[in-house]
Amino acid sequence: QSVLTQPPSVSGASGQRVTISCTGSSSNIGAGYDVHWYQQIPGTAPKLLIFGNTNRPSGVPDRFSGSKSGTSASLAITGLQAEDEADYYCQSYDSSLSGAVFGGGTQLTVL
Amino acid sequence: QVQLVESGGGLVKPGGSLRLSCAASGFSFSDFYMSWIRQAPAKGLEWVSYISSSGSTIYYADSVKGRFTISRDNAKNSLSLQMDSLRAEDTAVYYCAKGYKYGSNWGQGTLVTVSS
Repeated sequence: QSVLTQPPSVSGASGQRVTISCTGSSSNIGAGYDVHWYQQIPGTAPKLLIFGNTNRPSGVPDRFSGSKSGTSASLAITGLQAEDEADYYCQSYDSSLSGAVFGGGTQLTVL
Repeated sequence: QVQLVESGGGLVKPGGSLRLSCAASGFSFSDFYMSWIRQAPAKGLEWVSYISSSGSTIYYADSVKGRFTISRDNAKNSLSLQMDSLRAEDTAVYYCAKGYKYGSNWGQGTLVTVSS
């Protein structure tokens, strides 16, 4: 059971928009700790997609965006492409655990 | 460009030991915190440990505290993870990552299998 809760899977048609939620609690996201997002294509290492809730590292397309409100955060992907098929993980810090925590991951399927 | 290359994984019996290494290049290694993050087969991610740039601040997840030791050699741009008293549940791909609040760059990972 992950500290941060994500839907196990989401899907969307090519060109459409999807969102992936990440729900935490008052000891992590709700306490004001930043949320970060990673993309993991099967068989490869995770890649940083969003850091500090809303910031994209250089090279990440602006089709990817992050937001945070209260005890939750979301990753939005617009203009879905086949290459976006991957697992997506959210990550934050938890004060009660005194360490970084991940969501369980969400598998994105592009129809 | 940042490059992180892990090595040292393999098959080890329960109770055994293994030492992982991570060779870093493409950035000023001595200026950055470094981390180890693992992923059990077909499972999610778990932050295992991190170490400050000087080595003075270290964090371990409760699941490995007292069994794993993280260290770094800034002169050699190298990060290590000494894993003792290994258990079946330590079986995972272990990734070296730059940073400790988040992993800005990751290595390709090295597989550790703990089995008799």
